[in-house]
Amino acid sequence: SAVISQKPSRDICQRGTSLTIQCQVDSQVTMMFWYRQQPGQSLTLIATANQGSEATYESGFVIDKFPISRPNLTFSTLTVSNMSPEDSSIYLCSRIPWTGGFEEAAKNIQYFGAGTRLSVL
Amino acid sequence: GQNIDQPTEMTATEGAIVQINCTYQTSGFNGLFWYQQHAGEAPTFLSYNVLDGLEEKGRFSSFLSRSKGYSYLLLKELQMKDSASYLCAVMDSNYQLIWGAGTKLIIKP
Repeated sequence: SAVISQKPSRDICQRGTSLTIQCQVDSQVTMMFWYRQQPGQSLTLIATANQGSEATYESGFVIDKFPISRPNLTFSTLTVSNMSPEDSSIYLCSRIPWTGGFEEAAKNIQYFGAGTRLSVL
Repeated sequence: GQNIDQPTEMTATEGAIVQINCTYQTSGFNGLFWYQQHAGEAPTFLSYNVLDGLEEKGRFSSFLSRSKGYSYLLLKELQMKDSASYLCAVMDSNYQLIWGAGTKLIIKP
C-alpha cells in the first residue's frame, strides 16, 4: 500500500503564530483530504485538497484560517494560521489511492498519514 | 441531518468475542467503513461494506443491513492489542465520509 508521510509529527506553538503541515504520498492519488481530530472526538473534515486549484472547505472552516496548497498529485500542505489554544488538536491528511484497479478505486477507501499533534500555548 | 451512532465505550475479555454496533442516517449511501485507531495514532482501514451481508477478514468481520441502516464489527479471539477505538464511517450520496464518534474498546486479561 502507498506510504503517506506527514510532518511534523508534533509541535508546540505560541498563540498568534502559524504552522504548516506537510503531507507527501509516494504514488499518485485521486483525492487528498485534511481532517482535525480533537481529544476524545471523531474526525472532522476541514477540506478537500484539489490539485492545481483552491481547496474545497467544509462548513465552519475558511481559507484564511486554514490555507491549503496542493501543487501536484502527491503533495499537499495545510497551514493553521493565527493559532489559538482552541486549535490544539491532531491534524490528519488522508488520500484515496489511484491504484488497485477499478474495484478498489470504486470503494473510495481513505488511508491516513500518521497525524500531527498540535498544542497551542 | 446526518448522523452515525455507536457506543462510546465497551469492555471485553481477552480471548472472547465482541460486537460493536453502528447505526446511521445519511443522505444516500455509497459504502460503510470501519477503522481502528490506537491511542495517539492515525486511523487504519479495517473493512468496507456496500452490499448487505457479512464480510469476513481473519478475526474481524463486518455486517451491513442497508434497509435497517445498521452495521456491526465483530472481533473474535480478542487480543490485548485490539484495545483501541473503532470508528464507523458512511459515505453519503456526495461521496463524503460521515464519521461516528468512535467506540473505545477496552480488553481485560
